[in-house]
Amino acid sequence: AQSVSQHNHHVILSEAASLELGCNYSYGGTVNLFWYVQYPGQHLQLLLKYFSGDPLVKGIKGFEAEFIKSKFSFNLRKPSVQWSDTAEYFCAVNGNNRLAFGKGNQVVVIP
Amino acid sequence: DGGITQSPKYLFRKEGQNVTLSCEQNLNHDAMYWYRQDPGQGLRLIYYSQIVNDFQKGDIAEGYSVSREKKESFPLTVTSAQKNPTAFYLCASREKGANYGYTFGSGTRLTVV
Repeated sequence: AQSVSQHNHHVILSEAASLELGCNYSYGGTVNLFWYVQYPGQHLQLLLKYFSGDPLVKGIKGFEAEFIKSKFSFNLRKPSVQWSDTAEYFCAVNGNNRLAFGKGNQVVVIP
Repeated sequence: DGGITQSPKYLFRKEGQNVTLSCEQNLNHDAMYWYRQDPGQGLRLIYYSQIVNDFQKGDIAEGYSVSREKKESFPLTVTSAQKNPTAFYLCASREKGANYGYTFGSGTRLTVV
């Protein structure tokens, strides 16, 4: 089964700072990759996804992620964060009809 | 609108009792999934089903049971054998085949006292 690693579980940064969250996965076959976000007290929402094609994918709210196959990575980035980006972020990998999640990154943006 | 309905939103049970969480979808999706979310643990897969009358154990199936008698329904029973049942439970569904995303329900928060 596939597995997903997310580092730096807690991230604290100031508004306008840049954000990068790392995601590494292990799976030998074809994968679909996702980033989800969960705002405080809210449901899981899809930020962006990669299935094939251009490895740089753009999602909602100014987020983007880059799939680097050779590094088994799918890192999430945002050039300039806002207070409203305070949330928990989950990387997920679909393989063999199963979706595996990382443990998440708790991001706090200080105004 | 199509979607996944999980009910109830909050559920309280006494220790030692079995409890069943409901998950219904009207998306005509073939596959359905149950996840458990705990702080700092992410979402962990409990059970999943690719077709009616068939299901597979996920990573943390012990103490749980499921059934898939209808395409639109995938109830999860938390049995008294589950040692730490208090958690947030999420149901998801997906169309069969490649290049399809997952749709998640709004979750049920189970508290066992």
